[in-house]
Amino acid sequence: GENVEQHPSTLSVQEGDSAVIKCTYSDSASNYFPWYKQELGKGPQLIIDIRSNVGEKKDQRIAVTLNKTAKHFSLHITETQPEDSAVYFCAASNSRGLTGGGNKLTFGTGTQLKVEL
Amino acid sequence: DGGITQSPKYLFRKEGQNVTLSCEQNLNHDAMYWYRQDPGQGLRLIYYSQIVNDFQKGDIAEGYSVSREKKESFPLTVTSAQKNPTAFYLCASGRLDGYTFGSGTRLTVV
Repeated sequence: GENVEQHPSTLSVQEGDSAVIKCTYSDSASNYFPWYKQELGKGPQLIIDIRSNVGEKKDQRIAVTLNKTAKHFSLHITETQPEDSAVYFCAASNSRGLTGGGNKLTFGTGTQLKVEL
Repeated sequence: DGGITQSPKYLFRKEGQNVTLSCEQNLNHDAMYWYRQDPGQGLRLIYYSQIVNDFQKGDIAEGYSVSREKKESFPLTVTSAQKNPTAFYLCASGRLDGYTFGSGTRLTVV
């Protein structure tokens, strides 16, 4: 099955700096890579995702890059703010157009991001 | 508003008891999932269901059971066979574009 590794496990940055979180996956058939943000005591929320036919995707201060050859993908947060402090999870799945069935995601172990004033 | 609701938010279980965690969604998603979250271990899949009246074991199904009698509902029972049930449990539903998670249930064995 799929195995997703995520680094670092903790990351501290100064407000305004950039933060980068990296993930690798093992199954070359994986084609969908979402990122989730989890605030304390809450469920994870999808913040950005990328499919294997795209190398990079950007949404305001957040971007994700994908290197299919190396089987790794990264989350980039620019101009970090205190409200970016949370746990971030990457995930991977092979969504071969399952009819109504959705994806079975495999998650990384999470990165605790702390943005310091 | 469409969403996914988990209840209760906090649950305490005595040794040897079964408890059931509720998960309801009104997003019209066919697929639903249960994950367990422990510190430093990320999210581990317990059970998932891709359609009503069908469900599959995930990576850590031992000591858990589920049912899927309605599209909207996917309750999880933590049985007395689960030796270390204290954890944060997350339910999700989804299609091809990722999951929507509930707000979780924190289960503690007392």
